[in-house]
Order: sequence, then structure tokens, then C-alpha cells
Amino acid sequence: KQEVTQIPAALSVPEGENLVLNCSFTDSAIYNLQWFRQDPGKGLTSLLLIQSSQREQTSGRLNASLDKSSGRSTLYIAASQPGDSATYLCASGGDDKIIFGKGTRLHILP
Amino acid sequence: EPEVTQTPSHQVTQMGQEVILRCVPISNHLYFYWYRQILGQKVEFLVSFYNNEISEKSEIFDDQFSVERPDGSNFTLKIRSTKLEDSAMYFCASSRVNEQFFGPGTRLTVL
Repeated sequence: KQEVTQIPAALSVPEGENLVLNCSFTDSAIYNLQWFRQDPGKGLTSLLLIQSSQREQTSGRLNASLDKSSGRSTLYIAASQPGDSATYLCASGGDDKIIFGKGTRLHILP
Repeated sequence: EPEVTQTPSHQVTQMGQEVILRCVPISNHLYFYWYRQILGQKVEFLVSFYNNEISEKSEIFDDQFSVERPDGSNFTLKIRSTKLEDSAMYFCASSRVNEQFFGPGTRLTVL
């Protein structure tokens, strides 16, 4: 049974810093790995999706990596801004469903 | 850009009442899903649906829940007799291959 773990649960960093969010999963037989953003009380915004055959994906200031052999993914955010404050969810895509982590609650300090 | 839509955005109901949550998936997608997120908890898989039948369901998806694709566009989740613990955000998703696209969610409040 796939389990997705995100560390840390919460993170506060000063504006302008680069940061890394970590995600680990127990079953390497995934179809893809996806990172979402969720603002309080809101829906899920897809940020990046890495197919199982890929190692990383980039979008603007965001870079996500995938290491299936070690069961890990990271989300790198460059030059953080207060608008990046949100909860970031890691999710593993399998045969028929997505398994989500609990998320990392990120607070960027102005 | 095509997107998944859900109605209503917020539903308030009394315990024991039936509710139907509605979703319109992206038009050329073949796989449909429901997830839920209880306040402060992780997003959890409920059910997947393909070719007019359930392909997988979680332990949460008991006899009180059902899904239906009544026509070519809508995908519904019915909760027969709501409980207080059914209060959550319910997300619909659809996919053509393996990337799922999520709707904005319906917030269900059971009083």
C-alpha cells in the first residue's frame, strides 16, 4: 500500500530565500509524481507533474525532481515570495488513483 | 483551456439527508474520480470510474456512497444518508491517460 510522507510539516522562511520541500513514497511503481498547491479553504492547483520515466520538471521558479529508486521527490522554489505562502502537496499517481501526502505548510516572511 | 467543473461550490444539509454532488469532467476524458478532504487532513481517494462502472474504491466508499454518469457529460457522487463526519471538501477529477485534472471542489457541511 502506497504511503506518501512530506517533511517538514511546516516551514517559515524569509522572503527571497531558496527552499526545498521533501516528499518520500514507499512504492516505487508509480506512473507519475505530482506537486500541488492549496491555499486555505481552496482547491488544488497543479504545479508540476513528473512522469515515471522523467527525472525532473521545471516551471518558472519551481523545479521538481524524482528519484524512483530511492522513493523521493523534491520541490525546489527559487527566490521565494510572500505569494508563495500556501500548503504544498505531493501526490503519487498509480494505476487507478492518486495518493496524497499531508502537505507542507509554507509561510514566506516579508 | 478545458477544465473540470463542480456544482454546487458549497452545500449545507441536515444529518440523514441525501445529497448529490455534481461534476462535469473534461469532455474527452475517460476516467473519473472522487476524492475528499476533511478539514485539516489529507486528500483521500474515494472511487474511480471507467466505462460506466467502478474500477476501484476505498474503504471510505461504503454503501452510503454511489456514483453515476447519468448522461454524456455529468458525473455525480450521491451520499444517501449524510453523517456529521461526511463534512468535507469533495473533489472530482478526470483523466484521459494518467494525469488527473481536478475540479475546484464542493464544500459539504452536514449539520
